[in-house]
Amino acid sequence: KNEVEQSPQNLTAQEGEFITINCSYSVGISALHWLQQHPGGGIVSLFMLSSGKKKHGRLIATINIQEKHSSLHITASHPRDSAVYICAAPWGGSQGNLIFGKGTKLSVKP
Amino acid sequence: KAGVTQTPRYLIKTRGQQVTLSCSPISGHRSVSWYQQTPGQGLQFLFEYFSETQRNKGNFPGRFSGRQFSNSRSEMNVSTLELGDSALYLCASSPGGTSSYEQYFGPGTRLTVT
Repeated sequence: KNEVEQSPQNLTAQEGEFITINCSYSVGISALHWLQQHPGGGIVSLFMLSSGKKKHGRLIATINIQEKHSSLHITASHPRDSAVYICAAPWGGSQGNLIFGKGTKLSVKP
Repeated sequence: KAGVTQTPRYLIKTRGQQVTLSCSPISGHRSVSWYQQTPGQGLQFLFEYFSETQRNKGNFPGRFSGRQFSNSRSEMNVSTLELGDSALYLCASSPGGTSSYEQYFGPGTRLTVT
């Protein structure tokens, strides 16, 4: 079965804490997406990576293709980081055919 | 550049009716994909269009269909609506082709079927 699994499902943190969200997948993929969804529904693409590590501000994403695992880290978390974070993998040679994880709901308390 | 736009943003329909949703991609993007998001099933892939051709289709019944126009704008249609079709429908665009591209999502259309 082709799956993308995320952990944890829910995460509560205090402002300033370092946060890690994990994603594992069971099939060979060409890239992995990390997405952010705020209440109200809009989805923003945070990262697309196929190897190594990417950094944008306080967000860092890493991927290990051999181990089929990716992580999203948030340093110095802030209440505005509260959102659902979703990883997704393209499937079947088609970039739009994404298999999504169930998401990690992050709540950062002041 | 303007982002991905979707119309309408909210829609209420009755069981048995049909509905058409529209998605305008970022200028220059040739690939448009559609997704359904429900509390129970999460995000699921509906279909992907590239240069007016359906490139892939998810595991949805034939009541769900779509098309893409020569200007890359895309529509999806759901016929004979069921209560379970209530969902947030999202489209995303990307340049397309065979390389890995970031997906740019629209704000979504929230469909309620009563």
